[in-house]
Amino acid sequence: AQTVTQSQPEMSVQEAETVTLSCTYDTSESNYYLFWYKQPPSRQMILVIRQEAYKQQNATENRFSVNFQKAAKSFSLKISDSQLGDTAMYFCAFMKNEATQGGSEKLVFGKGMKLTVNP
Amino acid sequence: DAGVIQSPRHEVTEMGQEVTLRCKPISGHDYLFWYRQTMMRGLELLIYFNNNVPIDDSGMPEDRFSAKMPNASFSTLKIQPSEPRDSAVYFCASSYSGTLTWISSYNEQFFGPGTRLTVL
Repeated sequence: AQTVTQSQPEMSVQEAETVTLSCTYDTSESNYYLFWYKQPPSRQMILVIRQEAYKQQNATENRFSVNFQKAAKSFSLKISDSQLGDTAMYFCAFMKNEATQGGSEKLVFGKGMKLTVNP
Repeated sequence: DAGVIQSPRHEVTEMGQEVTLRCKPISGHDYLFWYRQTMMRGLELLIYFNNNVPIDDSGMPEDRFSAKMPNASFSTLKIQPSEPRDSAVYFCASSYSGTLTWISSYNEQFFGPGTRLTVL
């Protein structure tokens, strides 16, 4: 079974600063996806960024980037130029890649981390 | 597309009553997932469907929970009888496993707004 661990339950950062959220996971799979989801107070789950395990290049989406260390099973999220709208719960998630069978799989989530961006 | 639609958004009921949560996935998506979010257990999968067929229901807590997907555009999660420990936010999500990128990104799960269930 896969497990996802987010060891920091809460963080705060000043607006415009950079913050890094940590995530580690455990799996015996070699082919998988990793995701960061954002859940603002509205409770809507919003995909922030995804990483395919077979890709060595770290994914980036505007102010969001990841540091994917496959051997260490680490997947951290860096938020640059933090904005007040980044205040939310952030969830790291794992999904097996069933691409060879053309299927999909469930997401396994970490416990989440509450990020507060202060003005 | 309007995204994944869930109803009701909030449900308050008394212990022992039957509760039915509803979900309409994004058109063209072939996978549908039901997740539950609680403070104690976080986000966990209850059940998921592929082309309306249940694939994995190992997360369904007990026989009081049942889920159906009678067609590609509708799914229900039923709790009967409900108990206070069922109080949680229930999310429905859908995804597309094909290669037609105009439908959506491969295997990205899109979540509905959730149903907040309170059982008194």
